[in-house]
Amino acid sequence: DARVTQTPRHKVTEMGQEVTMRCQPILGHNTVFWYRQTMMQGLELLAYFRNRAPLDDSGMPKDRFSAEMPDATLATLKIQPSEPRDSAVYFCASGPGQSSTDTQYFGPGTRLTVL
Amino acid sequence: RKEVEQDPGPFNVPEGATVAFNCTYSNSASQSFFWYRQDCRKEPKLLMSVYSSGNEDGRFTAQLNRASQYISLLIRDSKLSDSATYLCVVMGNYQLIWGAGTKLIIKP
Repeated sequence: DARVTQTPRHKVTEMGQEVTMRCQPILGHNTVFWYRQTMMQGLELLAYFRNRAPLDDSGMPKDRFSAEMPDATLATLKIQPSEPRDSAVYFCASGPGQSSTDTQYFGPGTRLTVL
Repeated sequence: RKEVEQDPGPFNVPEGATVAFNCTYSNSASQSFFWYRQDCRKEPKLLMSVYSSGNEDGRFTAQLNRASQYISLLIRDSKLSDSATYLCVVMGNYQLIWGAGTKLIIKP
């Protein structure tokens, strides 16, 4: 049963520290998404990759966030420096097709707390 | 006005009852619509796509009303295991827009 995996599952850090979250999409999937979910804002799209190329990162604060796919099996989301308002659950999702409207399979999320 | 809006609930419903909730969207050119289900402290999972003609999957029925710009989800004979948050997703301007979700609580 293929699944999206994310590490770490939980992260507690202090304001100003760098945070790196990792995602392994389902093998063979062409699209990868990073989302942030909070109680107040719901699910927000941060970045979207197709065939490892970034297609949309308009939802991501550029000054402190960066998303990359160094290879087809790894996607990373970095926050530097982190701030308390970044506390949220960060989900990675992957999809089998070439379109953002294909079914998305979500990883279990990284629960980030910035003190 | 948000692009995709849902009643946050919670909807408290007795087991066995029928429950329905809507999701409104603002972009009349939206083409694709989905319902996802999210259990507490878990990731969202696709429940069903919403087709123009409406579609049914067991106890679940999804409808699209383009004229009024909303999609609906109907759950018949609700089970305790249906308790979750239901997220609607709308494809607008080549971007998926997620609703904030409707929380459903099924009570015995």
